[in-house]
Amino acid sequence: DQQVKQNSPSLSVQEGRISILNCDYTNSMFDYFLWYKKYPAEGPTFLISISSIKDKNEDGRFTVFLNKSAKHLSLHIVPSQPGDSAVYFCAAIWMTGTASKLTFGTGTRLQVTL
Amino acid sequence: NAGVMQNPRHLVRRRGQEARLRCSPMKGHSHVYWYRQLPEEGLKFMVYLQKENIIDESGMPKERFSAEFPKEGPSILRIQQVVRGDSAAYFCASSPSGAVAKNIQYFGAGTRLSVL
Repeated sequence: DQQVKQNSPSLSVQEGRISILNCDYTNSMFDYFLWYKKYPAEGPTFLISISSIKDKNEDGRFTVFLNKSAKHLSLHIVPSQPGDSAVYFCAAIWMTGTASKLTFGTGTRLQVTL
Repeated sequence: NAGVMQNPRHLVRRRGQEARLRCSPMKGHSHVYWYRQLPEEGLKFMVYLQKENIIDESGMPKERFSAEFPKEGPSILRIQQVVRGDSAAYFCASSPSGAVAKNIQYFGAGTRLSVL
């Protein structure tokens, strides 16, 4: 049962334009959402997060939007740069007692073209 | 400040052998998590440990897999009698706390296990 879904396996965007990566979830108990970026042969790198009580969080070129009623979040990258080309994973946390494991989506491969 | 260190980076085993994957968390981090990534899939949670304790092992296969995080030394993910289906990238992450607000998990570069 895939509780966090990234329905677009890949996305291609021109340099300078906006990249929008989408993520849907099914578990309304998730407390926190995170985006990770992953280059080939490396581990995921934390990018940005948002609490379930917020609807927007911004950090430089990266903004995450959360729509709880639609159980949907998105990551906006503007302007997109070639170095942003990577796989982006959406992840969610549900606190159960003292445990706080991440549930990941399957990832979206972003290609920023010149 | 060194990041999360995993070794080896690549591990080749024949069917039936044992695989031991090591993870040293970031300095000051006492929470360790193991994830597995199969080809073309996302990362799947396996186990969450604190020093000397397994907190959540709901993602671990019931047989052949075990994990530990001793008082001294790295965390170890051990796979006994490996099969071809165990071939995957295994990632370790660490965090300073298990609390949600501070639970930014920092990942190592992973160990790629290939079972021949």
